[in-house]
Amino acid sequence: QKEVEQNSGPLSVPEGAIASLNCTYSDRGSQSFFWYRQYSGKSPELIMFIYSNGDKEDGRFTAQLNKASQYVSLLIRDSQPSDSATYLCAVITSGNTPLVFGKGTRLSVIA
Amino acid sequence: KAGVTQTPRYLIKTRGQQVTLSCSPISGHRSVSWYQQTPGQGLQFLFEYFSETQRNKGNFPGRFSGRQFSNSRSEMNVSTLELGDSALYLCASWTAPGEQYFGPGTRLTVT
Repeated sequence: QKEVEQNSGPLSVPEGAIASLNCTYSDRGSQSFFWYRQYSGKSPELIMFIYSNGDKEDGRFTAQLNKASQYVSLLIRDSQPSDSATYLCAVITSGNTPLVFGKGTRLSVIA
Repeated sequence: KAGVTQTPRYLIKTRGQQVTLSCSPISGHRSVSWYQQTPGQGLQFLFEYFSETQRNKGNFPGRFSGRQFSNSRSEMNVSTLELGDSALYLCASWTAPGEQYFGPGTRLTVT
């Protein structure tokens, strides 16, 4: 069974710190990796995607992918209270398979 | 451009009844995915449609069904409702598989 694992948290970080969110996946053939953010009572929204090994930066967000270790992470620099949300890791394993979501990590940024 | 819309937003049903949920995708999006979200199981994939054809189906019983119309609008139906069907049902439309745009969801409560 193809799985995406995340620590449920909550992960608490002080305002201005770097938040590091981690995700592992079981299917070595996985091709595409996504991070969604879900505020309480709202629906998920896409914030980052990464397809190749290495780092991808977008503003305060950096996605990191290590296919050999089957590991993808999301770094949030200069964390703000408005970043407090649940972050969902999602993976497309291969071909036309649907997106598989982890259960999410709840992040709390303390002012 | 208008986002994904879902109707109704809230629904209360009793066990044994059936329910139909509706989703209108972003204009130009021909792919629609449906998910069930619960606190314990997270986001679980239900079905995926493209141009009126079901391309993928998740591991849910046959009581869960869906369809897509020629204008890309989609509906899902749950028959013989059970208490465990209480959840947030999310619809997402997309052009690239992992880059999905979610609607606000339908909160279904089964009593």
